[in-house]
Amino acid sequence: KQEVTQIPAALSVPEGENLVLNCSFTDSAIYNLQWFRQDPGKGLTSLLLIQSSQREQTSGRLNASLDKSSGRSTLYIAASQPGDSATYLCAVIKNTGNQFYFGTGTSLTVIP
Amino acid sequence: GAVVSQHPSRVICKSGTSVKIECRSLDFQATTMFWYRQFPKQSLMLMATSNEGSKATYEQGVEKDKFLINHASLTLSTLTVTSAHPEDSSFYICSASNVLTSGRTTDTQYFGPGTRLTVL
Repeated sequence: KQEVTQIPAALSVPEGENLVLNCSFTDSAIYNLQWFRQDPGKGLTSLLLIQSSQREQTSGRLNASLDKSSGRSTLYIAASQPGDSATYLCAVIKNTGNQFYFGTGTSLTVIP
Repeated sequence: GAVVSQHPSRVICKSGTSVKIECRSLDFQATTMFWYRQFPKQSLMLMATSNEGSKATYEQGVEKDKFLINHASLTLSTLTVTSAHPEDSSFYICSASNVLTSGRTTDTQYFGPGTRLTVL
């Protein structure tokens, strides 16, 4: 059974800091990994998708890396802003099946 | 990008009643839709996978007779919570994807905005 864990569970940083969110998964036989953002009481916004053959993806101030063999992914946020405050979820799709396995989430607060 | 809507966004009902939640793909055909449940401060847990025109596949521990899923068309799936109880209060989110002929999904699933269910 695929288990996805995110560390830390909560993070509070001052505006402008660079930060790293961590995601680990137990079964390395994944099809892809995706990072999402969830605002309170809202649905999910897709941030970055990394195919299993890729090592990283970048979008603006966000950079996600994937080390499939070790079962780890990181989301790097540069020059954090108060608008980045949200819960960040990572999720993997296994090689077999099409459903997401979600991590436990990291609640990020960026202090102005 | 593709848009998935859910209706209603919020519903409050009395214990024992049934509630239907709709998930629609607005600008693409969704051969597969997924239903997730999220309890407060917890992550999303997959409840069931719904394929158009066939019976849904439920995850272990999810009662299929309590959570009725119908995927009658390529743009609509419904989740009906039957005889709802307070412990069913949760945030329900659907996602939709277009499964390729290879059997894999397209690269991205598109998530709905969620439905907040409160059972009194």
